[in-house]
Amino acid sequence: DQQVKQNSPSLSVQEGRISILNCDYTNSMFDYFLWYKKYPAEGPTFLISISSIKDKNEDGRFTVFLNKSAKHLSLHIVPSQPGDSAVYFCAAKGGSEKLVFGKGTKLTVNP
Amino acid sequence: DAGVIQSPRHEVTEMGQEVTLRCKPISGHNSLFWYRQTMMRGLELLIYFNNNVPIDDSGMPEDRFSAKMPNASFSTLKIQPSEPRDSAVYFCASSFYRSTEAFFGQGTRLTVV
Repeated sequence: DQQVKQNSPSLSVQEGRISILNCDYTNSMFDYFLWYKKYPAEGPTFLISISSIKDKNEDGRFTVFLNKSAKHLSLHIVPSQPGDSAVYFCAAKGGSEKLVFGKGTKLTVNP
Repeated sequence: DAGVIQSPRHEVTEMGQEVTLRCKPISGHNSLFWYRQTMMRGLELLIYFNNNVPIDDSGMPEDRFSAKMPNASFSTLKIQPSEPRDSAVYFCASSFYRSTEAFFGQGTRLTVV
């Protein structure tokens, strides 16, 4: 039973365009959502997060949107750069320290 | 700070052997997590500790897996006996209690042949 789902295993975009990565969750107890980025042979690194009391959080080129009624969040990267090519994990937590991860989306930004 | 340090980075072992993975969390962090990454299941939480005490080990796959945290600066994940299906990348992460994000080590790639 996967509580956090990233239905697109991969995404390819052109440099300078917008990248949109999507994530759905099923557990209504989740109240905090995070995005991690992972390069090959490295551990995941924290990118951006959002609390359930907000619907948008922005940090430079990265913006996360949360739609609680749809149990959906998305990460927008604009403009996309080749260095953004990585695997992006959506994660959620609620009521404990436990972070539940999606399976990840591999983003490729083509020059 | 050096970040979360895991050792070894790579481990190749024969089926049936004991494997011990090690983790040094970031100094001052009091929550520690062990994750496993596989193609099929993605990143799954195995166990986490608060102040060296195991809080949730519901993700530990079976009795062959055990984890300890004897002090605030060291944790181990042991598999005995190891099986080929245990082959995966194992990550350790740490955070301040109730913090919003956890910091990951570089992982240990385990191959059981």
